[in-house]
Amino acid sequence: DAKTTQPNSMESNEEEPVHLPCNHSTISGTDYIHWYRQLPSQGPEYVIHGLTSNVNNRMASLAIAEDRKSSTLILHRATLRDAAVYYCILRGPNAGGTSYGKLTFGQGTILTVHP
Amino acid sequence: GAGVSQSPSNKVTEKGKDVELRCDPISGHTALYWYRQRLGQGLEFLIYFQGNSAPDKSGLPSDRFSAERTGESVSTLTIQRTQQEDSAVYLCASSPRSGAGGNQPQHFGDGTRLSIL
Repeated sequence: DAKTTQPNSMESNEEEPVHLPCNHSTISGTDYIHWYRQLPSQGPEYVIHGLTSNVNNRMASLAIAEDRKSSTLILHRATLRDAAVYYCILRGPNAGGTSYGKLTFGQGTILTVHP
Repeated sequence: GAGVSQSPSNKVTEKGKDVELRCDPISGHTALYWYRQRLGQGLEFLIYFQGNSAPDKSGLPSDRFSAERTGESVSTLTIQRTQQEDSAVYLCASSPRSGAGGNQPQHFGDGTRLSIL
């Protein structure tokens, strides 16, 4: 699986936007970019994913660079509940290209939100 | 609705004992995954079940680890002759399907915290 690079930690103030970067220079054409987050003592939670175009949902926005070698998760107004570890994951098809299986997690970015 | 349920939430056992961890996926989800998370680390993939296909066991760290799933229901992860390095949170996830056009998100349970004394 292609690897991603994220900052170890970031800080934000409540109600301000947060931009979480992710580099994935070895991404392949069939790799989706997924973001999950993990709150303390909980399992990971899906946030958003995309392939080539920018994506928006109720939780966040995903901005994907034109060459797809980097992406940015955008939290429009951070809340204290958004304090978590954020994982940027490339998810590619299994051998044979017929299914997408496991997620390969890195160390993620620890986001601290200050009141 | 009900999410992925795992039991027990905590398990403490002595080195050398066998343990069995249970995962109840979301109803209707055909894909089920097991991951392990050591303290302060990211998740490590263990095994993946997709419908009636042969499971992907490529992440199991040793032959002491095994998992079963009957149909599209409950799964159990068994660790035999536990060692201290097996101490971790074991997480289960499920998704509706994992086809090439689907690429469905995975829904995680809160895990079983396993401590080996």
